[in-house]
Amino acid sequence: SQQGEEDPQALSIQEGENATMNCSYKTSINNLQWYRQNSGRGLVHLILIRSNEREKHSGRLRVTLDTSKKSSSLLITASRAADTASYFCATDFTGANSKLTFGKGITLSVRP
Amino acid sequence: NAGVTQTPKFQVLKTGQSMTLQCAQDMNHEYMSWYRQDPGMGLRLIHYSVGAGITDQGEVPNGYNVSRSTTEDFPLRLLSAAPSQTSVYFCASSRQGSGSPLHFGNGTRLTVT
Repeated sequence: SQQGEEDPQALSIQEGENATMNCSYKTSINNLQWYRQNSGRGLVHLILIRSNEREKHSGRLRVTLDTSKKSSSLLITASRAADTASYFCATDFTGANSKLTFGKGITLSVRP
Repeated sequence: NAGVTQTPKFQVLKTGQSMTLQCAQDMNHEYMSWYRQDPGMGLRLIHYSVGAGITDQGEVPNGYNVSRSTTEDFPLRLLSAAPSQTSVYFCASSRQGSGSPLHFGNGTRLTVT
């Protein structure tokens, strides 16, 4: 399977702490994207990082990409209870012809 | 702005029945896609379309048909429902295929008995 693999599968932290989630993949990519899904809802796009980029920021979110290690990380700083959700990485593999492939997701719980 | 609208929100079918899941977007996106989400499996691509009149298969296309007669609509048809098709179905659209962010609908929860 060409799925990206997220790590850990589940993460529980205290409000105010930072949350780091990782995604690894196996073949070359055009871009990698992170999404959030609240319970019972559709996915919401967070950040897209292209293969020639190393780091991107959006508010409290920081995404890094290391193409030599075929991995990406999503850092949420100063987490809030409202950040409780599932987080998915999605990869646009080179030659995949417009098919975005999702991982199985990470469940983040932020305790108040 | 409505974004991506999916109907119905919930559906129960008996094995062998057929039905159509509706998806409409009002963002003038060329690219639309259907995913199914099952516990422990993440999201898997069923079919996608890069523009009106053009469709292609994803990872798990068997048992599903799609058509794209307009830019706005991308219905997913279950030909003869099976219990293995019990899932949550998401429609998504984007401006530029997998090279731009996907906008998701809120899903259709389908149960096949």
